[in-house]
Amino acid sequence: QKEVEQDPGPLSVPEGAIVSLNCTYSNSAFQYFMWYRQYSRKGPELLMYTYSSGNKEDGRFTAQVDKSSKYISLFIRDSQPSDSATYLCAMSANAGGTSYGKLTFGQGTILTVHP
Amino acid sequence: DSGVTQTPKHLITATGQRVTLRCSPRSGDLSVYWYQQSLDQGLQFLIQYYNGEERAKGNILERFSAQQFPDLHSELNLSSLELGDSALYFCASSEGTGLYEQYFGPGTRLTVT
Repeated sequence: QKEVEQDPGPLSVPEGAIVSLNCTYSNSAFQYFMWYRQYSRKGPELLMYTYSSGNKEDGRFTAQVDKSSKYISLFIRDSQPSDSATYLCAMSANAGGTSYGKLTFGQGTILTVHP
Repeated sequence: DSGVTQTPKHLITATGQRVTLRCSPRSGDLSVYWYQQSLDQGLQFLIQYYNGEERAKGNILERFSAQQFPDLHSELNLSSLELGDSALYFCASSEGTGLYEQYFGPGTRLTVT
């Protein structure tokens, strides 16, 4: 079983819809949670990161973490065609002095927002 | 543009061969990370270097090795290539070795035939 599970989709929504993307994880050592966006033929880019349970908002994006359930979500409000991309959750731990930089990614969810 | 450069963009080679992928981090970044992205495994961490020293290791095969040079660029060497090594290889860089934002390069697409 993978440490991080993410529904690969694909997910297709109309412009203006609210999008919900989710990941579950099994490693209790994960402390830092990130969402990356990857456009076709490009490298991933960081959208948001958080390290505590609760919500974090940035414009149309809200990241939610529930450590007790080992579940994280990304909500996109008023989705736009330019949001069409693959969204990857990523997590990081620092168990035993291992670098925080070692990120464990979900499989990625392919999102298409159609006009 | 993240500021991280990777060469070459595409590489096609045969099984059993050896290739070298190159990465130049953003100006000022001391950490370099290598990731492999394939359809079945997703994006997987391979190895991290910080200021020339290996800092963390993931599921990197013994046939693969990396190094970071004094000018901070890094190379990933893949040898005895197999069909299953075909993937996108990304390099990322960050300021330090803690929880810093990682900036990803455009990737090198490796095809092993």
